[in-house]
Amino acid sequence: LAKTTQPISMDSYEGQEVNITCSHNNIATNDYITWYQQFPSQGPRFIIQGYKTKVTNEVASLFIPADRKSSTLSLPRVSLSDTAVYYCLVAPGVTTDSWGKLQFGAGTQVVVTP
Amino acid sequence: DAGVIQSPRHEVTEMGQEVTLRCKPISGHDYLFWYRQTMMRGLELLIYFNNNVPIDDSGMPEDRFSAKMPNASFSTLKIQPSEPRDSAVYFCASSLGTGSPLHFGNGTRLTVT
Repeated sequence: LAKTTQPISMDSYEGQEVNITCSHNNIATNDYITWYQQFPSQGPRFIIQGYKTKVTNEVASLFIPADRKSSTLSLPRVSLSDTAVYYCLVAPGVTTDSWGKLQFGAGTQVVVTP
Repeated sequence: DAGVIQSPRHEVTEMGQEVTLRCKPISGHDYLFWYRQTMMRGLELLIYFNNNVPIDDSGMPEDRFSAKMPNASFSTLKIQPSEPRDSAVYFCASSLGTGSPLHFGNGTRLTVT
């Protein structure tokens, strides 16, 4: 599975847009990118996933350039409650024995202040 | 759906004791995962099952750890004997499989003194 690299931490003010970029240079053709959010004392929670171009849901947007070697999670107009750790993962898009070996990296700690 | 249910939420035990963590996955999910989270090592995949069969247990730290999934609605992670370095938050997650996200429980915080 492709290894991912993302910033350790990011600070933001309420109301700003936060963009977290994840590098995954060795992404395979069938792999897709998925993002999770984790609050203290809770398990990670799925936010968004995508294969290419742009995906948007009610929580975030995910931008994936044509070469797919990186992706950017965009959180619009963050609030204090968006303070959390955000994880980027690359997962196989086909069912293989390795699909379940989903490894979470260190993640990005996002701190939103008033 | 109630989501993934883990019990207990907190467990405090003495070194050498046996510890059993329990998990009920979301109904219909074919995959079940056990993760461990510590400040030093982050989230580590211990083992995962597909249709109740262990597929990869390479993340299980040592023979003191064992996991079972006797049926589609229940799994256990057992540590015997427990050691202080096993102190961590243990998460269970389930998923439909390829292309589907993982759904995590709220974890069991284990403290071994």
